[in-house]
Amino acid sequence: AQRVTQPEKLLSVFKGAPVELKCNYSYSGSPELFWYVQYSRQRLQLLLRHISRESIKGFTADLNKGETSFHLKKPFAQEEDSAMYYCALGGSNYKLTFGKGTLLTVNP
Amino acid sequence: DGGITQSPKYLFRKEGQNVTLSCEQNLNHDAMYWYRQDPGQGLRLIYYSQIVNDFQKGDIAEGYSVSREKKESFPLTVTSAQKNPTAFYLCATNSRRYNEQFFGPGTRLTVL
Repeated sequence: AQRVTQPEKLLSVFKGAPVELKCNYSYSGSPELFWYVQYSRQRLQLLLRHISRESIKGFTADLNKGETSFHLKKPFAQEEDSAMYYCALGGSNYKLTFGKGTLLTVNP
Repeated sequence: DGGITQSPKYLFRKEGQNVTLSCEQNLNHDAMYWYRQDPGQGLRLIYYSQIVNDFQKGDIAEGYSVSREKKESFPLTVTSAQKNPTAFYLCATNSRRYNEQFFGPGTRLTVL
């Protein structure tokens, strides 16, 4: 069965500090992984996907098949990064399995 | 953001009543989804539809029903059989070309 685990419900850092949001997955096939973000009073939106290997808003995420992880990282957090972050795993029929989310707070 | 609209934004109903949540899209996407978002639970899939006149149950379909008579519309009915209906409901579509899901603004349902 597909499963996505985000071990931290809450994560609080100071502005300028590095941030890492953890995501582990369980999937028997070749995984397709995503990070979605929900800013306050905004819609849930795609932040990045592993196949594109791009950096969005300074965030990067590397797929580690050995550790079955897809952690989201940013070297210097900004206050505007405060949001709820969801890791998601693609499955059959274009379905996504979401983790329970991590609420990131970046303090000034 | 106008590609997916959900109405109403807030909905209050008495226990035992059925209620229908609207989801409309103009993105010309074939696939549409309904999720339920609860604090600490993430997003859980209720129903999804890959094409008009076809839909499948997600992980938590009990107490819900859907229809897909038009490509643009995928309404969700929360029936009286749903034991804990108070939640935030999100509709999404999928751009299969890039397997990216696009989300609506959500409907917050409160059952009194």
